[in-house]
Amino acid sequence: NAGVTQTPKFRVLKTGQSMTLLCAQDMNHEYMYWYRQDPGMGLRLIHYSVGEGTTAKGEVPDGYNVSRLKKQNFLLGLESAAPSQTSVYFCASSRNSFLAGGNEQFFGPGTRLTVL
Amino acid sequence: KQEVTQIPAALSVPEGENLVLNCSFTDSAIYNLQWFRQDPGKGLTSLLLIQSSQREQTSGRLNASLDKSSGRSTLYIAASQPGDSATYLCAVEKGGATNKLIFGTGTLLAVQP
Repeated sequence: NAGVTQTPKFRVLKTGQSMTLLCAQDMNHEYMYWYRQDPGMGLRLIHYSVGEGTTAKGEVPDGYNVSRLKKQNFLLGLESAAPSQTSVYFCASSRNSFLAGGNEQFFGPGTRLTVL
Repeated sequence: KQEVTQIPAALSVPEGENLVLNCSFTDSAIYNLQWFRQDPGKGLTSLLLIQSSQREQTSGRLNASLDKSSGRSTLYIAASQPGDSATYLCAVEKGGATNKLIFGTGTLLAVQP
């Protein structure tokens, strides 16, 4: 199993450009998450999904959109990138929280995004 | 609002030493607490998950304890090795149907050979 994979690994954008980050998991997990990690701030939840076709806002959702058209994929979109969105983005997945032992989150390797 | 704090922010120890990393949280109504390891430029690896009804979990040289009433968790690493050098993060889950985690800012551990 590949676990959680993210593409691309690195990206440089100019202010105002758009892009989509792709997250894929092969563990048949119901739940998926997008986080951003900034120095001194820890990881903060951007958006999450509890199942195919459903998404919800996390702690810092402004400037981002997401889609979960297939259970195994979770896309994070930046419509008009800003320098404040320079960060490392992590995707994670987990089983349904009500299943026994199902709360452990598994993380992807991250995407380093720089917005100039 | 739940806040998670990890002190110290950085720690350097000689190889072989036993050490303790601390995590504190302001709201004791948590569902579980997870400890993660993050190597430079890499993603997070889950080390231990403690359910709110548990007091501790062990995996190899790692032992994590949880005291909900005082809002504290510790990660004990026995006989530290240079390969243990990484950033250690704790995260709490409030519960409900979403598994949302609130992370601390981490402790950067350096184990000197």
